Amino acid sequence: GAVVSQHPSWVICKSGTSVKIECRSLDFQATTMFWYRQFPKQSLMLMATSNEGSKATYEQGVEKDKFLINHASLTLSTLTVTSAHPEDSSFYICSAKGSGVWGAGEQYFGPGTRLTVT
Amino acid sequence: GENVGLHLPTLSVQEGDNSIINCAYSNSASDYFIWYKQESGKGPQFIIDIRSNMDKRQGQRVTVLLNKTVKHLSLQIAATQPGDSAVYFCAEAAGGFKTIFGAGTRLFVKA
Repeated sequence: GAVVSQHPSWVICKSGTSVKIECRSLDFQATTMFWYRQFPKQSLMLMATSNEGSKATYEQGVEKDKFLINHASLTLSTLTVTSAHPEDSSFYICSAKGSGVWGAGEQYFGPGTRLTVT
Repeated sequence: GENVGLHLPTLSVQEGDNSIINCAYSNSASDYFIWYKQESGKGPQFIIDIRSNMDKRQGQRVTVLLNKTVKHLSLQIAATQPGDSAVYFCAEAAGGFKTIFGAGTRLFVKA
């Protein structure tokens, strides 16, 4: 079945640096990918929706200049956290949705990336 | 509205008992609902879904009930096993677009 991978699975970076997280759909073409952030003991919060070949749509309160999203192909979306600060430390999860997918989970989630900013 | 930063409620059940996890959703226009299971350090895993034209759907050991009148969703797990211990999230979507997660519930299964 549909598999979504994320890389890296965890990353530690220094404050002020940028970090790129990759999300790949391995066996299907993802017309839409979603990026979520999850703080400890909290739910997943949608950050942005990414459609292949177009600009991402960001949720209210999410800084688009800080969280750069690129969906350059039908199998890859990237999230770059620019000038990271300790408060950006979180679990980042992507999900992918193929064209015509409806029901049966609708989206397929990646395993998440743990970002720690020191 | 959107999920908020709350500590997760906890449900503790004895192995073999049935579990019922409840969820209140916010958007009257939502027409598709999903339950996810999330184990520590992993992404959400699909359990079962239901469309708004249904009020009950059954899977293997799981049943989802939907009450649109009060915007309530529940997940029933039969004969709960230790492997069911995880955090469970309900999620809603409108028009096949983005999925919004509700607050989760942590399920502890006592052996």
